Amino acid sequence: GAVVSQHPSRVICKSGTSVKIECRSLDFQATTMFWYRQFPKKSLMLMATSNEGSKATYEQGVEKDKFLINHASLTLSTLTVTSAHPEDSSFYICSASRDRNQPQHFGDGTRLSIL
Amino acid sequence: GDSVTQMEGPVTLSEEAFLTINCTYTATGYPSLFWYVQYPGEGLQLLLKATKADDKGSNKGFEATYRKETTSFHLEKGSVQVSDSAVYFCALSDTGTASKLTFGTGTRLQVTL
Repeated sequence: GAVVSQHPSRVICKSGTSVKIECRSLDFQATTMFWYRQFPKKSLMLMATSNEGSKATYEQGVEKDKFLINHASLTLSTLTVTSAHPEDSSFYICSASRDRNQPQHFGDGTRLSIL
Repeated sequence: GDSVTQMEGPVTLSEEAFLTINCTYTATGYPSLFWYVQYPGEGLQLLLKATKADDKGSNKGFEATYRKETTSFHLEKGSVQVSDSAVYFCALSDTGTASKLTFGTGTRLQVTL
């Protein structure tokens, strides 16, 4: 149990377009979802924490107007990279947990490449 | 702020060799400590955890002991297998399991026959 599906696994798009990444908890209800970004040979950097039905909490230095997060249901959170540029190219990973006392379950990640 | 430092990889070992991956941390208060594993093409999976000093987490033959005096949480396995080849991440959480995680840079382990 505790499967998290992330889609798409890889996306390539032109500079200036917006890209949406989905994160779904398949067999449990996730009150909290997290979005991370991973640079090559670097650790995962937490971008934001989202709780179902409320606004996401962004980490310092992360542009909330650039990275739009929606957590409209207990099984789905989306990250939209708006007006993407080459510097937004990265590996994005989501995780989900049932509540604060339960472990985070991670998706397989999305490799985003902006040309 | 909180931080986690891991030994740089890659670590290459022969099957049945002893594994140690060092991890040290800096945190205020009393964090929970974790090891996550990422197999090729997959997401991160929780390998083991410890929530207080002197706790030992263990799973699949891997062990790590929460050492407050040395602020360390080194990962060990007595006899590695080829199937253990993966990237291992040390992480900490200040308050609760599902709260904000701070990760180390990851250590790639390659086990050969």
